Amino acid sequence: DTEVTQTPKHLVMGMTNKKSLKCEQHMGHRAMYWYKQKAKKPPELMFVYSYEKLSINESVPSRFSPECPNSSLLNLHLHALQPEDSALYLCASSQASRGRGYGYTFGSGTRLTVV
Amino acid sequence: DAKTTQPNSMESNEEEPVHLPCNHSTISGTDYIHWYRQLPSQGPEYVIHGLTSNVNNRMASLAIAEDRKSSTLILHRATLRDAAVYYCILREGNYGQNFVFGPGTRLSVLP
Repeated sequence: DTEVTQTPKHLVMGMTNKKSLKCEQHMGHRAMYWYKQKAKKPPELMFVYSYEKLSINESVPSRFSPECPNSSLLNLHLHALQPEDSALYLCASSQASRGRGYGYTFGSGTRLTVV
Repeated sequence: DAKTTQPNSMESNEEEPVHLPCNHSTISGTDYIHWYRQLPSQGPEYVIHGLTSNVNNRMASLAIAEDRKSSTLILHRATLRDAAVYYCILREGNYGQNFVFGPGTRLSVLP
C-alpha cells in the first residue's frame, strides 16, 4: 500500500459545527503532516507529527486541533470555523529520519466549505 | 529559511522536452532538492529529488548545478497529462520536516 487516504473527500459545515478530517497511511511512515491550500495558492504547512508527537505547529488557530492516535492515523478536528477557512486540506506522510532524502506522499485532500 | 524562485508559468508543445528552472541561492550543504507536481484537483505528487548529482527516474531528470544554487527539472517528452503546477522545494530543518512550498511554475502543454 503506497497511498495516503483522506476522508471525506468533500465536507460542508456550518460555523457552529464540529467535524473531523481523517488521514490514514500504511507505509510505515512515522511523520505525518497537515497542509492547507487555498485556490491558486501553494500548500501551506499547518502541523507536523513525528512518532505520534506534535513537532511543528505553524501558529495555527486553536479552532483546528490535530490528533495522531497511532502511527497510521492522523485526524484534524474542526470547531467554530470561519468561511475563510474554506480550502483544500491535504495530508502527507514521510519517513521520519534525520536524513532529508525521503520524499513525501500526499493524499488527494478534503475539500472543505464553511458556510 | 532557504527559499526557491521559479518562473510563474511556462508553455511547451506536446512531445517536446521541457526544462523547468529553479533558483535556490541560499541552499545549505545538506539540503535536498525536491520536485513535486500538482495536477488539477489532486494532491501534490512526488517527481524527483537529489542532493548533488544529476538524477534520472521514469518521470523526469534532475540537473543540479555544480554550485547547487540552481537546478532544472527536465521532462523529456511533454504530454498533455504533464500540465500541472511544478514545485521546487528544499527539504530543510532539524529533521527535514519543515517542507515549505513556493509559488511553483504552472506548465501548460499545447497539443
